Amino acid sequence: DVKVTQSSRYLVKRTGEKVFLECVQDMDHENMFWYRQDPGLGLRLIYFSYDVKMKEKGDIPEGYSVSREKKERFSLILESASTNQTSMYLCASRVRLATNEKLFFGSGTQLSVL
Amino acid sequence: GEDVEQSLFLSVREGDSSVINCTYTDSSSTYLYWYKQEPGAGLQLLTYIFSNMDMKQDQRLTVLLNKKDKHLSLRIADTQTGDSAIYFCAELEGYSTLTFGKGTMLLVSP
Repeated sequence: DVKVTQSSRYLVKRTGEKVFLECVQDMDHENMFWYRQDPGLGLRLIYFSYDVKMKEKGDIPEGYSVSREKKERFSLILESASTNQTSMYLCASRVRLATNEKLFFGSGTQLSVL
Repeated sequence: GEDVEQSLFLSVREGDSSVINCTYTDSSSTYLYWYKQEPGAGLQLLTYIFSNMDMKQDQRLTVLLNKKDKHLSLRIADTQTGDSAIYFCAELEGYSTLTFGKGTMLLVSP
């Protein structure tokens, strides 16, 4: 079974802190994605990566950056956390572009910024 | 950007059929998906349909696609309490990224 692992289930950080959310997949998938999920807003795409060292902005990239130095790991970085970044963050991976391969999701990281 | 709309809430009794509806705006959608999210978990793919099909059946699940009206539905037959979850409709534009709806919370009462 494909496994997408997010390093923390719950995180509490202070405003202004630099926050790293880590995601690892074990199936050699090329594509990886970061979404945030908010009540009433559904899932919104923050950033995605087609392959190592590649990144593309999603619909709401402001206030975030990403890093993909190794194929299995995709990190989401909040340079200076703010209270409006309190949310559930979901990582996902997919075999590769140009296929109908399904997205596999991690269990999510609930981030609270105080 | 492209839009995917769903009703936010549906309540049914155990044993009834549930129908969750979704509308989308992107006429170049290639695939449409239904994902399920149980409490405290990530999303899991339930089923999908290619845009040139109008129906797909998979055990208790039936997906209907009306491409002219850009309307997608998911019917769950004999709904069980374990089906209580949030259901997300999503579309794949070309072969790039998925756009998700806001999710429909299905509550199944005994």
